[in-house]
Amino acid sequence: NAGVTQTPKFQVLKTGQSMTLQCAQDMNHNSMYWYRQDPGMGLRLIYYSASEGTTDKGEVPNGYNVSRLNKREFSLRLESAAPSQTSVYFCASSSIRGHGYTFGSGTRLTVV
Amino acid sequence: AQTVTQSQPEMSVQEAETVTLSCTYDTSENNYYLFWYKQPPSRQMILVIRQEAYKQQNATENRFSVNFQKAAKSFSLKISDSQLGDTAMYFCAFMKPPTGNQFYFGTGTSLTVIP
Repeated sequence: NAGVTQTPKFQVLKTGQSMTLQCAQDMNHNSMYWYRQDPGMGLRLIYYSASEGTTDKGEVPNGYNVSRLNKREFSLRLESAAPSQTSVYFCASSSIRGHGYTFGSGTRLTVV
Repeated sequence: AQTVTQSQPEMSVQEAETVTLSCTYDTSENNYYLFWYKQPPSRQMILVIRQEAYKQQNATENRFSVNFQKAAKSFSLKISDSQLGDTAMYFCAFMKPPTGNQFYFGTGTSLTVIP
């Protein structure tokens, strides 16, 4: 099925460990995004990539890095995980035609 | 910066009844898009309905419809004939074109459909 594939679905990390969340879309969308979702705070933008080869910071970029590997793939890396990064992470993609986002299924990350 | 406000953290409705979820937003833009997303317990974010600001006609998708009041900056979602599967968190969102990074979410309304 066409859409956004996000892996893994669940992850538990110890404080200080690193990991990369993977995201791929097959809809030929130009733009891709990483959000985190925390209770009572909605979704907050971490980083985005408006097009292949470009990345920019969103509202809450500290502690994260991203790579737009090609048009399809956009990964999020936590270099040294902290308990404050416990959250649900969503990858999304969009065209520029105003049709909204297509989301991945999310990753529940717990940092202990 | 744009803000999106959902003033109802939780709501409930009897099965088969109608419920309206509220959303207001603040912007100085004239051209933009508004969305309602549904997030069921599965966690998947699902687009429910979309409205283009330059269109006066309210969008409808089966049992879902919106009441878009541009001057009042209000964008409410009406769910008719509520079903158990409508139980979910609902997020209102605002997007300023042309790039999708200008996308702002409300904090969500948790809707429970009671059998």
